[in-house]
Amino acid sequence: DGGITQSPKYLFRKEGQNVTLSCEQNLNHDAMYWYRQDPGQGLRLIYYSQIVNDFQKGDIAEGYSVSREKKESFPLTVTSAQKNPTAFYLCASSSRTGKVGYTFGSGTRLTVV
Amino acid sequence: GENVEQHPSTLSVQEGDSAVIKCTYSDSASNYFPWYKQELGKGPQLIIDIRSNVGEKKDQRIAVTLNKTAKHFSLHITETQPEDSAVYFCAASASGTYKYIFGTGTRLKVLA
Repeated sequence: DGGITQSPKYLFRKEGQNVTLSCEQNLNHDAMYWYRQDPGQGLRLIYYSQIVNDFQKGDIAEGYSVSREKKESFPLTVTSAQKNPTAFYLCASSSRTGKVGYTFGSGTRLTVV
Repeated sequence: GENVEQHPSTLSVQEGDSAVIKCTYSDSASNYFPWYKQELGKGPQLIIDIRSNVGEKKDQRIAVTLNKTAKHFSLHITETQPEDSAVYFCAASASGTYKYIFGTGTRLKVLA
């Protein structure tokens, strides 16, 4: 079955460390997205990519970095510059038109310890 | 900037009653409006969507209505069941863009 896979489901990070969240899709979707979810604040866009080797900052990109070397993969690195990284991170993908709805992964819960 | 307001933030209904969630968007170029259901600890799942060329769409117990003049759209769930309990998000996007603007979510509780 086609889908989008995020790993790991839970991640713990010490302060000052970088950590990378994985997102892989086999839907042949062109566009991929990273969202951060905090209680009561809905979904906030971190980065998005419409094609391979190209990506754009979203609304809260500071302290994060991404790469898009393959169509199927869009990893997110949470750097030590992100002051409040504890959150639920969601990856999504969509077709080029984006008009059939995003497909979301099951999320990664990151906790700074 | 572009914005989607969603109300209410929490909603409790008795099993069998109807639930209505409302969203208002600011970008007049928006023409696609999906609704997502998110269960605890999971990613959002698309449950229904509507495009700007129609005013209403139904799928069994759920329906969405769109008022382009007023720039608002609503999710209607009839005959609610305990498994409808979840967080629901609305979103809007404009033609030619990939980005969705999401509402802040509604936590629906269906009381048995």
